[in-house]
Amino acid sequence: AQTVTQSQPEMSVQEAETVTLSCTYDTSESNYYLFWYKQPPSRQMILVIRQEAYKQQNATENRFSVNFQKAAKSFSLKISDSQLGDTAMYFCAFMKQTIQGAQKLVFGQGTRLTINP
Amino acid sequence: DTAVSQTPKYLVTQMGNDKSIKCEQNLGHDTMYWYKQDSKKFLKIMFSYNNKELIINETVPNRFSPKSPDKAHLNLHINSLELGDSAVYFCASSRGTRVYEQYFGPGTRLTVT
Repeated sequence: AQTVTQSQPEMSVQEAETVTLSCTYDTSESNYYLFWYKQPPSRQMILVIRQEAYKQQNATENRFSVNFQKAAKSFSLKISDSQLGDTAMYFCAFMKQTIQGAQKLVFGQGTRLTINP
Repeated sequence: DTAVSQTPKYLVTQMGNDKSIKCEQNLGHDTMYWYKQDSKKFLKIMFSYNNKELIINETVPNRFSPKSPDKAHLNLHINSLELGDSAVYFCASSRGTRVYEQYFGPGTRLTVT
C-alpha cells in the first residue's frame, strides 16, 4: 500500500520569505505521479504542481518548485516570495493508475501554512 | 462555467435520515470520484467510476451507495446517517488514462446532528 507522510502539521512564515514543505512517501512502484494540492479557506482543492516519477528534472510552476528525490522517496514543495494568498492547507498526494484506468490519489495529512504580513 | 459542481454545498440533517449529494462535471471526463475529508482534514478516496462502471470501492460502509446515471454525473446516496458521517465530501473528475490531473468540486459539508 502507498502511504504519504507530511511531518509538519503547521508552518508560519513572513510575507516574501521562502518556505519549504516536506513530504515523504512509500511505494514499490517505479512509475507514478506526485502532486501538491492547495486548499485555501474556501475549501476548494487546487492543483499546485505535479511531478512524474520518471522525470529527473524537478517541476516548477512560477513561485512553486519541488525537490524530488526518488531514491529517498521525498517530494518537498518550495514556495518562493510567499504571498498572503498562499495561506492554505497544502496536501502532498501520490497517484497510481489502476488496471481499469482509474487514478487513485493517496493524500498526506496536510500542512497548514500561514503567511504573515 | 463551473467545471465540477456539487449540490448542495451545505447539508445539515439528523441521524437516521437518508440524503443524497449530486455531482456534475462539464469537462467531458469519463472518470469520476468521491473523496471524504474528515474533521482533521484527512482526505481519502471512497469510490471511482469510469464510464459509469464502478472501478474503485474502498472500505466504505454499505450505507454509502454511489450512482452514475451517465458519464457526467456521479451522485452519492447515504442511508441511515450517523454522527461519524459528518465531513466534507468532494467529487472529482479526470480524463481517462493520459491526463492525470483530477479536478475537484467545491465540496459538500455534511453535518449530522
